[in-house]
Amino acid sequence: DADVTQTPRNRITKTGKRIMLECSQTKGHDRMYWYRQDPGLGLRLIYYSFDVKDINKGEISDGYSVSRQAQAKFSLSLESAIPNQTALYFCATSDSTQGRDQPQHFGDGTRLSIL
Amino acid sequence: SQQGEEDPQALSIQEGENATMNCSYKTSINNLQWYRQNSGRGLVHLILIRSNEREKHSGRLRVTLDTSKKSSSLLITASRAADTASYFCATYRPSGYALNFGKGTSLLVTP
Repeated sequence: DADVTQTPRNRITKTGKRIMLECSQTKGHDRMYWYRQDPGLGLRLIYYSFDVKDINKGEISDGYSVSRQAQAKFSLSLESAIPNQTALYFCATSDSTQGRDQPQHFGDGTRLSIL
Repeated sequence: SQQGEEDPQALSIQEGENATMNCSYKTSINNLQWYRQNSGRGLVHLILIRSNEREKHSGRLRVTLDTSKKSSSLLITASRAADTASYFCATYRPSGYALNFGKGTSLLVTP
């Protein structure tokens, strides 16, 4: 079983719809992240969470919201989807108890298309 | 903003050849990390080199770090078709809260 699981893997939806992408992890890590990947732009950080009560905006948080329901679960919502939010979305985790600047562990992504 | 920048953007080699990718970054770092992304999959951490290290090996991977030039290189020796993927360097932002990724090098290894 994957350590970081994202659902759904693929989603096609229409402009204006509300969408939730879910991420769960079995690694026991405290930190979780949401990234967006677009061709030619690399990965950009949307939100990050250091624990259940500590959620922070990344560089491109407009149009997105998140919820950390438990240490193992971190969901990303698009309240009213627009076509330029079409992208590949990744959830990642890291373990701050191992020290500073730890490697991150990624899920396999959600490919989201907004028509 | 992107901290790391990889070079070249794309690289095509034959099996058995070595592949070298370079990365430049802008600010001081505690470590630099390299990741691989196979098509349609998530990123996988390959190797981490600390700021006080100059070279590190892991299997067929060799990473160098030159903090004076703010640059790193990833060498894959004796490449295989299975090495075909995109490779990213990443560094933590000075505040330490999240990784900055470059745009990646797309490596194609042909049999």
